Amino acid sequence: EPEVTQTPSHQVTQMGQEVILRCVPISNHLYFYWYRQILGQKVEFLVSFYNNEISEKSEIFDDQFSVERPDGSNFTLKIRSTKLEDSAMYFCASSLDGRTEAFFGQGTRLTVV
Amino acid sequence: GENVGLHLPTLSVQEGDNSIINCAYSNSASDYFIWYKQESGKGPQFIIDIRSNMDKRQGQRVTVLLNKTVKHLSLQIAATQPGDSAVYFCAEIFSGGYQKVTFGTGTKLQVIP
Repeated sequence: EPEVTQTPSHQVTQMGQEVILRCVPISNHLYFYWYRQILGQKVEFLVSFYNNEISEKSEIFDDQFSVERPDGSNFTLKIRSTKLEDSAMYFCASSLDGRTEAFFGQGTRLTVV
Repeated sequence: GENVGLHLPTLSVQEGDNSIINCAYSNSASDYFIWYKQESGKGPQFIIDIRSNMDKRQGQRVTVLLNKTVKHLSLQIAATQPGDSAVYFCAEIFSGGYQKVTFGTGTKLQVIP
């Protein structure tokens, strides 16, 4: 069964450092998403991406965040200068057409120290 | 340690009993709804969906009910099993705009063997 894969599963970084979280969406899907989940809280939307551009972003997704689809398979989330409050699980998701369910990866746990 | 953010409502159910998890959604224009299950340390997993032109949909051991008048969703799980223990999120999509899945707060289901 096709699945969304994310790497790494756990990333520890020092405050102020840049991190890149990587995702391989399901191959025939057209819509890609990043979500964040702080421990014990709900899953929060960060950004959606379609046709090689951001289609929507939340207030959380400020200038420190960027997304890229560098090739035909990868979808990345970059945080330029990490803060302690960026510590969370980051989930990548993809959807066939944006009107049906999104499939989620297993997440990357980001710990900023 | 301090359990900051761990304010999920919890439903405890005896194994074999039926479970009902409720959710209020926010956008009256949302026309597609999904229930996701999230096990500890994993990404949200699709359970069942329903479109706004329906008020009930059944799957295997699960039923989703939609009441658009009061913007309420419920998930019924028949004969609850220990493997059903997880956090359950309802999610809404407004397919007329940029498609993103907006998650509710979540309910933690604990199945007592």
